[in-house]
Amino acid sequence: NAGVTQTPKFRILKIGQSMTLQCTQDMNHNYMYWYRQDPGMGLKLIYYSVGAGITDKGEVPNGYNVSRSTTEDFPLRLELAAPSQTSVYFCASSPPGTGYEQYFGPGTRLTVT
Amino acid sequence: DQQVKQNSPSLSVQEGRISILNCDYTNSMFDYFLWYKKYPAEGPTFLISISSIKDKNEDGRFTVFLNKSAKHLSLHIVPSQPGDSAVYFCAAPGGSQGNLIFGKGTKLSVKP
Repeated sequence: NAGVTQTPKFRILKIGQSMTLQCTQDMNHNYMYWYRQDPGMGLKLIYYSVGAGITDKGEVPNGYNVSRSTTEDFPLRLELAAPSQTSVYFCASSPPGTGYEQYFGPGTRLTVT
Repeated sequence: DQQVKQNSPSLSVQEGRISILNCDYTNSMFDYFLWYKKYPAEGPTFLISISSIKDKNEDGRFTVFLNKSAKHLSLHIVPSQPGDSAVYFCAAPGGSQGNLIFGKGTKLSVKP
């Protein structure tokens, strides 16, 4: 099992550019999450999904979009990158019924200049 | 408004001694707590958890203590090893979405 994988590991974007952060898990988990971590801060929830075809906003969704067409994949889309989106992005998954112990990917470090 | 607080950004401990990392919470509805460990350039990994029906949970060198009346929990690492050097996050499943609410983390440095 690879667990939760994220690509790319690093990316530099110019203001106004768009990109998609990829996230894939091979544990057949229903629940998937996107968090961002700013320097010196804890992780904050951007979007989450409880299963294929079902997504919803978290605490900080502005400027992002997601889709969940399969159980395995949960991509995060940035449409018009802004410097405030400079952060480290983590994808996580968890099995249904607990939602507590989440498994995290290695993260994507994004810089918007 | 932080619901999970880790007030010490950093902690330095000598190898072999005890490391104590602290966490406070404000929401009395929280009934489960987790500690995650994070190395640089990696995602957080689950370390240990505790349910509010317990006041202690132990796993090898790691023990978490919960004081519900004080809304406080602590992670004890005994003995500390250099490989324990990482950022430790306290978290609680407090969101309606089942997401975890994280503290800001404490960076532990264990010196040989």
